[in-house]
Amino acid sequence: NAGVTQTPKFQVLKTGQSMTLQCAQDMNHNSMYWYRQDPGMGLRLIYYSASEGTTDKGEVPNGYNVSRLNKREFSLRLESAAPSQTSVYFCASIPLANTEAFFGQGTRLTVV
Amino acid sequence: GIQVEQSPPDLILQEGANSTLRCNFSDSVNNLQWFHQNPWGQLINLFYIPSGTKQNGRLSATTVATERYSLLYISSSQTTDSGVYFCAVERGGGADGLTFGKGTHLIIQP
Repeated sequence: NAGVTQTPKFQVLKTGQSMTLQCAQDMNHNSMYWYRQDPGMGLRLIYYSASEGTTDKGEVPNGYNVSRLNKREFSLRLESAAPSQTSVYFCASIPLANTEAFFGQGTRLTVV
Repeated sequence: GIQVEQSPPDLILQEGANSTLRCNFSDSVNNLQWFHQNPWGQLINLFYIPSGTKQNGRLSATTVATERYSLLYISSSQTTDSGVYFCAVERGGGADGLTFGKGTHLIIQP
């Protein structure tokens, strides 16, 4: 039981490049989330998926797209990376609304 | 949206000291969690505590939902307690995600 697994752990991109951050959970949770964390800040919600087949924007969705591929997997795509997207990205999942959230280990992304 | 304020923003203590971290939130919530982010960046669940009091070893937490605040107590601090402590809340209804405070950066000196 690995919990929430994110890949890759580290990535450096050039401005304008695209990439997809992968997230998978093996806990059969319904809801999944993508957050970003910038220095001195708490985590901010980018997108979420309350259940398989649905996705919604969070607080800071601009420049990102998501796909809830199935119940296990929720990916985050940067179509044209910008230096402002340099951040640490966390994926999380919860079994039901208003329950304990479980986080992956994060992806440190640098855009140069 | 809901506002989450944590205090103090920074705290430096000697090993063995006790501390209290506070989280205020601006609206009623159905979900409140405390996390510890260790120096390697990993987020560790400490408590799921939308109301009431819980204890786990040297750590305990209390949430007074009617007054919109939560407290995290750390007793007999150890250097391994260093890191950033986050409070995160969610209002009722759908599973639309946690709102985080900016955290309390705790440094425990030997």
